[in-house]
Amino acid sequence: GAGVSQSPSNKVTEKGKDVELRCDPISGHTALYWYRQSLGQGLEFLIYFQGNSAPDKSGLPSDRFSAERTGGSVSTLTIQRTQQEDSAVYLCASSLGTGGSPLHFGNGTRLTVT
Amino acid sequence: TQLLEQSPQFLSIQEGENLTVYCNSSSVFSSLQWYRQEPGEGPVLLVTVVTGGEVKKLKRLTFQFGDARKDSSLHITAAQPGDTGLYLCAGLYNQGGKLIFGQGTELSVKP
Repeated sequence: GAGVSQSPSNKVTEKGKDVELRCDPISGHTALYWYRQSLGQGLEFLIYFQGNSAPDKSGLPSDRFSAERTGGSVSTLTIQRTQQEDSAVYLCASSLGTGGSPLHFGNGTRLTVT
Repeated sequence: TQLLEQSPQFLSIQEGENLTVYCNSSSVFSSLQWYRQEPGEGPVLLVTVVTGGEVKKLKRLTFQFGDARKDSSLHITAAQPGDTGLYLCAGLYNQGGKLIFGQGTELSVKP
């Protein structure tokens, strides 16, 4: 596809379970971002991958959150031992990576922790 | 920690009115972007501003970057119901760094 693809689009899980969220960026985009968005709010930065550089993990809210990017393409965001406060929309974006390049977003994964 | 303050947070106006949304920071931006987001979708880029004092127009939308590159504004003339959505500013503080978003302005334009 031409755009950023995220899966699943919706995920309902029980408190304490682990979840994995997937992002397929646009081919050729070297930068990949994960953001979290609560209802009607702005985007909270989580993690940023740029090429082969070490990722910027400064936005991850706790050690229950981790992310990896395999082969410079697909990325997985993992949340362990989910809590109710983790409920939000998780957005992935990719860009060409040069300064000021526009971000292309997926439609997000809506995570609900019951 | 770089922070972006966006105001107002909510705006409800009648069709035909004008409005301005503000985005401010205590730090200097390398560049700044404005996005618009509709429910159930990811944000979509409207414009990028790079040079202090820069003004860009996109139909009825006018974007301005402050001379000191610490603030920006989005002005909409004669708002229409189709302008309804969440408007987000996002700042890049250095060329290789991450993009930080403001809290967003939820705009509702009533017919």
